[in-house]
Amino acid sequence: QSALTQPPSASGSPGQSVTISCTGTSSDVGGYNYVSWYQQHPGKAPKLLIYEVSKRPSGVPDRFSGSKSGNTASLTVSGLQGEDEADYYCSSNAGSNIVVFGGGTKLTVL
Amino acid sequence: QVQLVESGGGLVKPGGSLRLSCAASGFTFSDYYMSWIRQAPGKGLEWLSYMSSSGSSKYYADSVKGRFTISRDNAKNSLYLQMDSLRAEDTAVYYCARGYRSLLYWGQGTLVTVSS
Repeated sequence: QSALTQPPSASGSPGQSVTISCTGTSSDVGGYNYVSWYQQHPGKAPKLLIYEVSKRPSGVPDRFSGSKSGNTASLTVSGLQGEDEADYYCSSNAGSNIVVFGGGTKLTVL
Repeated sequence: QVQLVESGGGLVKPGGSLRLSCAASGFTFSDYYMSWIRQAPGKGLEWLSYMSSSGSSKYYADSVKGRFTISRDNAKNSLYLQMDSLRAEDTAVYYCARGYRSLLYWGQGTLVTVSS
Protein backbone atom coordinates (compact mmCIF):
# COMPACT_ATOMS: atom_id res chain seq x y z
CA GLN A 1 0.00 0.00 0.00
CA SER A 2 2.39 2.70 -1.20
CA ALA A 3 1.33 6.33 -1.17
CA LEU A 4 0.71 8.00 -4.49
CA THR A 5 3.48 10.39 -5.54
CA GLN A 6 2.80 14.12 -5.55
CA PRO A 7 5.27 17.00 -5.80
CA PRO A 8 5.81 18.49 -2.33
CA SER A 9 5.18 22.01 -3.54
CA ALA A 10 3.73 24.05 -6.38
CA SER A 11 3.27 27.76 -6.90
CA GLY A 12 1.78 30.32 -9.20
CA SER A 13 0.79 33.96 -9.37
CA PRO A 14 -2.79 35.17 -9.10
CA GLY A 15 -4.65 34.56 -12.34
CA GLN A 16 -2.25 31.90 -13.53
CA SER A 17 -2.89 28.17 -13.86
CA VAL A 18 -1.12 25.47 -11.89
CA THR A 19 -1.19 21.71 -12.41
CA ILE A 20 -0.45 19.20 -9.65
CA SER A 21 0.38 15.63 -10.60
CA CYS A 22 -0.40 12.41 -8.79
CA THR A 23 1.51 9.35 -9.95
CA GLY A 24 0.62 5.81 -9.06
CA THR A 25 0.67 2.45 -10.77
CA SER A 26 -1.60 0.29 -12.88
CA SER A 27 -2.87 -1.16 -9.59
CA ASP A 28 -4.32 2.11 -8.39
CA VAL A 29 -4.51 5.33 -10.47
CA GLY A 30 -4.09 3.54 -13.78
CA GLY A 31 -6.49 0.75 -12.95
CA TYR A 32 -9.51 2.66 -11.69
CA ASN A 33 -11.44 5.81 -12.55
CA TYR A 34 -11.82 6.59 -8.85
CA VAL A 35 -9.25 9.33 -8.40
CA SER A 36 -10.29 12.08 -6.02
CA TRP A 37 -8.69 15.38 -5.08
CA TYR A 38 -8.98 17.20 -1.75
CA GLN A 39 -8.08 20.70 -0.60
CA GLN A 40 -7.06 21.29 2.99
CA HIS A 41 -6.50 24.64 4.65
CA PRO A 42 -4.46 24.74 7.87
CA GLY A 43 -6.37 23.43 10.84
CA LYS A 44 -9.36 22.44 8.75
CA ALA A 45 -10.80 19.17 7.51
CA PRO A 46 -10.14 18.26 3.87
CA LYS A 47 -12.66 19.34 1.25
CA LEU A 48 -13.53 17.21 -1.78
CA LEU A 49 -12.74 19.06 -5.02
CA ILE A 50 -12.80 16.33 -7.67
CA TYR A 51 -14.11 12.77 -7.71
CA GLU A 52 -14.03 10.00 -10.33
CA VAL A 53 -11.07 11.71 -12.04
CA SER A 54 -12.86 14.77 -13.38
CA LYS A 55 -16.24 15.31 -11.71
CA ARG A 56 -16.86 18.29 -9.44
CA PRO A 57 -19.22 18.21 -6.44
CA SER A 58 -21.84 20.90 -6.34
CA GLY A 59 -20.39 24.22 -5.23
CA VAL A 60 -16.80 23.60 -6.35
CA PRO A 61 -15.75 26.30 -8.83
CA ASP A 62 -15.02 25.18 -12.38
CA ARG A 63 -11.56 26.68 -11.94
CA PHE A 64 -10.72 23.26 -10.52
CA SER A 65 -10.44 20.44 -13.05
CA GLY A 66 -9.12 16.91 -13.03
CA SER A 67 -7.78 14.51 -15.62
CA LYS A 68 -5.88 11.26 -15.93
CA SER A 69 -3.44 9.73 -18.36
CA GLY A 70 -2.13 6.26 -17.74
CA ASN A 71 -0.89 6.01 -14.16
CA THR A 72 -0.84 9.77 -13.55
CA ALA A 73 -3.74 11.95 -12.52
CA SER A 74 -3.64 15.73 -12.55
CA LEU A 75 -5.43 18.58 -10.83
CA THR A 76 -5.41 21.94 -12.60
CA VAL A 77 -6.30 25.14 -10.79
CA SER A 78 -7.03 27.94 -13.25
CA GLY A 79 -7.28 31.63 -12.46
CA LEU A 80 -5.37 31.22 -9.21
CA GLN A 81 -6.75 33.13 -6.24
CA GLY A 82 -5.25 33.79 -2.85
CA GLU A 83 -7.76 31.48 -1.19
CA ASP A 84 -6.42 28.59 -3.25
CA GLU A 85 -3.28 28.54 -1.13
CA ALA A 86 -3.64 25.22 0.67
CA ASP A 87 -2.50 21.62 0.72
CA TYR A 88 -3.86 19.34 -1.99
CA TYR A 89 -4.15 15.57 -1.80
CA CYS A 90 -5.08 12.97 -4.37
CA SER A 91 -6.51 9.56 -3.58
CA SER A 92 -7.34 6.46 -5.53
CA ASN A 93 -8.86 3.08 -5.13
CA ALA A 94 -6.17 0.43 -5.09
CA GLY A 95 -6.37 -3.33 -5.37
CA SER A 96 -8.03 -5.44 -2.70
CA ASN A 97 -10.59 -2.86 -1.65
CA ILE A 98 -8.19 -0.34 -0.21
CA VAL A 99 -7.72 3.37 -0.67
CA VAL A 100 -4.45 5.22 -0.95
CA PHE A 101 -3.67 8.92 -0.64
CA GLY A 102 -0.89 10.95 -2.16
CA GLY A 103 1.69 12.59 0.04
CA GLY A 104 0.21 16.03 -0.54
CA THR A 105 1.25 19.19 -2.38
CA LYS A 106 1.52 22.60 -0.76
CA LEU A 107 0.26 25.21 -3.21
CA THR A 108 1.60 28.73 -2.72
CA VAL A 109 0.01 31.71 -4.42
CA LEU A 110 2.84 34.18 -5.02
CA GLN B 1 -27.29 19.56 6.83
CA VAL B 2 -24.80 16.71 7.03
CA GLN B 3 -22.79 16.65 10.23
CA LEU B 4 -20.11 14.26 11.41
CA VAL B 5 -18.79 14.74 14.92
CA GLU B 6 -15.87 12.67 16.20
CA SER B 7 -15.16 12.14 19.87
CA GLY B 8 -13.09 9.92 22.12
CA GLY B 9 -9.63 11.23 21.39
CA GLY B 10 -7.09 11.97 24.09
CA LEU B 11 -3.79 11.00 25.64
CA VAL B 12 -3.02 7.30 25.94
CA LYS B 13 0.12 5.36 26.83
CA PRO B 14 1.88 3.11 24.32
CA GLY B 15 0.21 -0.28 24.28
CA GLY B 16 -3.06 1.20 25.43
CA SER B 17 -6.48 1.31 23.81
CA LEU B 18 -8.94 3.97 22.79
CA ARG B 19 -12.35 3.93 21.14
CA LEU B 20 -13.30 6.74 18.80
CA SER B 21 -16.88 7.56 17.92
CA CYS B 22 -18.38 9.46 15.03
CA ALA B 23 -21.94 10.73 15.39
CA ALA B 24 -23.69 11.30 12.08
CA SER B 25 -26.73 13.46 11.34
CA GLY B 26 -28.47 15.10 8.40
CA PHE B 27 -28.52 12.02 6.17
CA THR B 28 -29.67 8.40 6.18
CA PHE B 29 -26.62 6.90 7.87
CA SER B 30 -27.54 3.32 7.04
CA ASP B 31 -27.36 4.07 3.30
CA TYR B 32 -23.69 5.01 3.25
CA TYR B 33 -20.26 3.44 3.50
CA MET B 34 -18.16 5.20 6.12
CA SER B 35 -14.42 5.70 6.47
CA TRP B 36 -11.71 6.62 8.97
CA ILE B 37 -8.70 8.67 7.92
CA ARG B 38 -5.91 10.11 10.04
CA GLN B 39 -3.32 12.84 9.77
CA ALA B 40 -0.18 12.83 11.88
CA PRO B 41 1.07 16.26 12.97
CA GLY B 42 2.52 18.09 9.98
CA LYS B 43 2.01 15.05 7.74
CA GLY B 44 -0.36 13.96 4.99
CA LEU B 45 -3.62 12.08 5.01
CA GLU B 46 -3.62 8.33 5.60
CA TRP B 47 -6.61 6.15 4.86
CA LEU B 48 -7.23 3.66 7.67
CA SER B 49 -10.45 1.76 7.13
CA TYR B 50 -13.90 1.72 5.63
CA MET B 51 -17.06 -0.21 6.26
CA SER B 52 -20.05 -1.01 4.07
CA SER B 53 -23.45 0.48 4.81
CA SER B 54 -24.75 -2.72 6.39
CA GLY B 55 -21.54 -3.39 8.28
CA SER B 56 -21.00 -6.70 6.52
CA SER B 57 -17.74 -5.65 4.83
CA LYS B 58 -14.78 -3.86 6.32
CA TYR B 59 -11.31 -3.11 5.01
CA TYR B 60 -8.12 -1.87 6.63
CA ALA B 61 -4.78 -0.36 5.76
CA ASP B 62 -1.85 -2.66 6.49
CA SER B 63 -0.58 -0.17 9.07
CA VAL B 64 -3.56 -0.81 11.37
CA LYS B 65 -4.77 -4.27 10.37
CA GLY B 66 -5.06 -6.49 13.41
CA ARG B 67 -4.87 -3.54 15.84
CA PHE B 68 -7.82 -1.36 14.82
CA THR B 69 -11.44 -2.44 14.39
CA ILE B 70 -14.10 -0.45 12.60
CA SER B 71 -17.75 -0.91 13.51
CA ARG B 72 -21.04 0.90 13.24
CA ASP B 73 -24.46 1.06 14.88
CA ASN B 74 -26.99 2.14 12.29
CA ALA B 75 -29.70 2.48 14.92
CA LYS B 76 -27.57 5.07 16.69
CA ASN B 77 -26.22 6.69 13.51
CA SER B 78 -22.73 6.11 14.78
CA LEU B 79 -19.39 4.87 13.50
CA TYR B 80 -16.63 3.61 15.75
CA LEU B 81 -12.93 2.86 15.66
CA GLN B 82 -11.53 0.61 18.37
CA MET B 83 -7.79 1.16 18.57
CA ASP B 84 -5.66 -1.34 20.45
CA SER B 85 -1.91 -1.79 20.94
CA LEU B 86 -1.39 1.87 20.26
CA ARG B 87 2.04 3.12 19.26
CA ALA B 88 3.66 6.54 19.24
CA GLU B 89 3.29 6.63 15.46
CA ASP B 90 -0.49 6.42 15.83
CA THR B 91 -0.47 9.98 17.16
CA ALA B 92 -2.68 11.92 14.77
CA VAL B 93 -5.94 13.71 14.18
CA TYR B 94 -8.53 11.07 13.30
CA TYR B 95 -11.32 11.94 10.90
CA CYS B 96 -14.45 10.08 10.00
CA ALA B 97 -15.91 10.68 6.56
CA ARG B 98 -18.93 9.63 4.54
CA GLY B 99 -18.20 7.29 1.66
CA TYR B 100 -15.04 5.47 0.68
CA ARG B 101 -13.96 6.20 -2.90
CA SER B 102 -14.72 9.90 -2.62
CA LEU B 103 -15.25 11.58 0.73
CA LEU B 104 -17.66 14.48 0.42
CA TYR B 105 -18.32 15.01 4.11
CA TRP B 106 -15.73 14.98 6.88
CA GLY B 107 -15.88 15.53 10.59
CA GLN B 108 -13.70 18.09 12.34
CA GLY B 109 -11.37 15.40 13.67
CA THR B 110 -10.33 14.23 17.10
CA LEU B 111 -6.73 14.25 18.32
CA VAL B 112 -5.15 11.06 19.61
CA THR B 113 -1.80 11.36 21.35
CA VAL B 114 0.15 8.23 22.21
CA SER B 115 2.87 9.02 24.70
CA SER B 116 4.23 7.81 28.00
